[in-house]
Amino acid sequence: SYELTQSSSVSVSPGQTASITCSGYKLGDKYVCWFQQKAGQSPVMVIYEDVKRPSGIPERFSGSNSGNTATLTISGTQPMDEADYFCQAWDSGSAVFGRGTKLTVL
Amino acid sequence: EVQLVESGGGSVYVGGSRRLSCVASGFTFSDYEMNWVRQAPGKGLEWVSYISRRATDVFYADSVKGRFTISRDNAQNSLSLQMNSLTAEDTAVYYCARDRLYCTTTSCNFEGMDVWGQGTTVTVS
Repeated sequence: SYELTQSSSVSVSPGQTASITCSGYKLGDKYVCWFQQKAGQSPVMVIYEDVKRPSGIPERFSGSNSGNTATLTISGTQPMDEADYFCQAWDSGSAVFGRGTKLTVL
Repeated sequence: EVQLVESGGGSVYVGGSRRLSCVASGFTFSDYEMNWVRQAPGKGLEWVSYISRRATDVFYADSVKGRFTISRDNAQNSLSLQMNSLTAEDTAVYYCARDRLYCTTTSCNFEGMDVWGQGTTVTVS
């Protein structure tokens, strides 16, 4: 079955740029979504179709996807961005999630 | 306000059954595909099942295939998940999430799970 691999944790200082990666076989051929989940809350979609931001999502969130790797970039990271981030793609009729990356802003 | 509200969670014995519901409001339910996604305690997100807007297509994760059944009632703006033969590994918060499939002349793609419910907790012991 298809797998998406994420690093377990990323740390960033406030105001700096955070990059969270998601890897999968020929992932660039698929559309990737990214979800933010803060402690005790439901997931929120922050990126869809690789690069698009839903309304209400700050411009500091951006995405890219090429080859085997998709990347979520948070520019000018704020303390409120501390959360778990999950990538997701569809493969053969199944939605596949990465295991998640814990973003720490310190 | 666009909203999804799950219900039906609770405690159930191993081997038992449970039926979850998700009620939609604030949007045209029949225009959207729907998913169930779960999250075991301290773990990541796991997709469980999908149903197309007219219920013509349903898909299941291998971990629940043959035990869970997804259904929807567009007249009632509701989504359901019938869970049978439950095991401890099914213990999780269950979320419903909407998505939308659009097709061009060359391909079909999903717009993304843009609205999620608050989740309902199922504990199997």
